[in-house]
Amino acid sequence: SQELEQSPQSLIVQEGKNLTINCTSSKTLYGLYWYKQKYGEGLIFLMMLQKGGEEKSHEKITAKLDEKKQQSSLHITASQPSHAGIYLCGAVGGSGYALNFGKGTSLLVTP
Amino acid sequence: DAGVIQSPRHEVTEMGQEVTLRCKPISGHNSLFWYRQTMMRGLELLIYFNNNVPIDDSGMPEDRFSAKMPNASFSTLKIQPSEPRDSAVYFCASKTSGGAVTGELFFGEGSRLTVL
Repeated sequence: SQELEQSPQSLIVQEGKNLTINCTSSKTLYGLYWYKQKYGEGLIFLMMLQKGGEEKSHEKITAKLDEKKQQSSLHITASQPSHAGIYLCGAVGGSGYALNFGKGTSLLVTP
Repeated sequence: DAGVIQSPRHEVTEMGQEVTLRCKPISGHNSLFWYRQTMMRGLELLIYFNNNVPIDDSGMPEDRFSAKMPNASFSTLKIQPSEPRDSAVYFCASKTSGGAVTGELFFGEGSRLTVL
């Protein structure tokens, strides 16, 4: 089965700093989804990447997909306390119907 | 739209008791998923329904777990009997397409289960 490994597991950054979260797949990626989860809440969709080299941005969050490396990165510019939460990457599993998820990266932004 | 609605939000029960978690997907969505989230294992897919029919239940841990979708607007996940290792947050998610995943999964707020 496909496994997604996220790094780092947790991150503490000072407000205003940039940061990057990585997601590496054990198998070929046919689509990569990024979600954010606030503590105690459900997952909120951020963006979906489908093609190698694709890059998408949402406000100050940018994600890229490197199909050859079976990897995606999520970059936050000038982090704010509102960016705090757990970021999860998801990819289509073997069934083709559902997403498998990484264990998440916990982000804390300090003033 | 109200989004995916789950109940209860929190459940505390004793080992051996039956637990029923409920989910109302977004109207018009024909695919429904149950996931379980724990610190150790992260977010795991338990079962997937398409047009109310279970398509893939390979993620269901054991026979103590069962899921039903009697109609397009309601699904249940039942654990009987419950055990402390079942403690987790259970999420329900839905989406429009019944085929391969190409769009967004919409998640509910989750049901936090604690089995004592």
